[in-house]
Amino acid sequence: QSALTQPASVSGSPGQSITISCTGTSSDVGGYNYVSWHQQHPGRAPKLIIYVVYNRPPGVSNRFSGSKSGNTASLTISGLRTEDEADYYCSSYTSSNTWVFGGGTKLTVL
Amino acid sequence: QVQLVESGGGLVKPGGSLRLSCAGSGFTFSDYYMNWIRQAPGKGLEWVSFISTNANRIQYADSVKGRFTMSRDNAESSAYLQMNSLRVEDTAVYYCARDDGYYLEYWGQGILVTVSS
Repeated sequence: QSALTQPASVSGSPGQSITISCTGTSSDVGGYNYVSWHQQHPGRAPKLIIYVVYNRPPGVSNRFSGSKSGNTASLTISGLRTEDEADYYCSSYTSSNTWVFGGGTKLTVL
Repeated sequence: QVQLVESGGGLVKPGGSLRLSCAGSGFTFSDYYMNWIRQAPGKGLEWVSFISTNANRIQYADSVKGRFTMSRDNAESSAYLQMNSLRVEDTAVYYCARDDGYYLEYWGQGILVTVSS
């Protein structure tokens, strides 16, 4: 049950776009479309922003988009806003019938 | 509206036990798998356990297998996490979350468990 691999940090300026990668294996990300992304602000519970690779829950901005290619999933945030500054976590269902999260990526909006 | 509320956290000595509860409201609790996820201070999210609707499927992370037991009482709309043989490294905020079909949309506010002598 090794954690999925995410960059520790990314940064961007308001209005720009950034992409966060999430790399796993054929036993998790590559084997299932059950990849999700959560946003977490300090001291708050995680909030689901993408599920089943590219779907957005009601109320989540269309500035957030997800994709997957092979063993790597990606989250793209376009038109960066200061309120997007947060930690982002990917997760995937696994062939062991468990869940695995990524190590998290801290997004800084400069 | 969907609400999940954790309780039962606190300070416990290494080797001790604690039982967390997660009370659900605003939805038919018995229709959903439930999960526990934890977050150590300053660290990332770690999935801990899930339980199926009728409790016939329960899975655990390797880090807690044999020490933690997840259960549920659908009549009480609650899920539980019995934590035994606690270690310092189990110190974390514990969240319960509802499984909406291979994704975790609703989370509780979290409850802090501190294992320290």
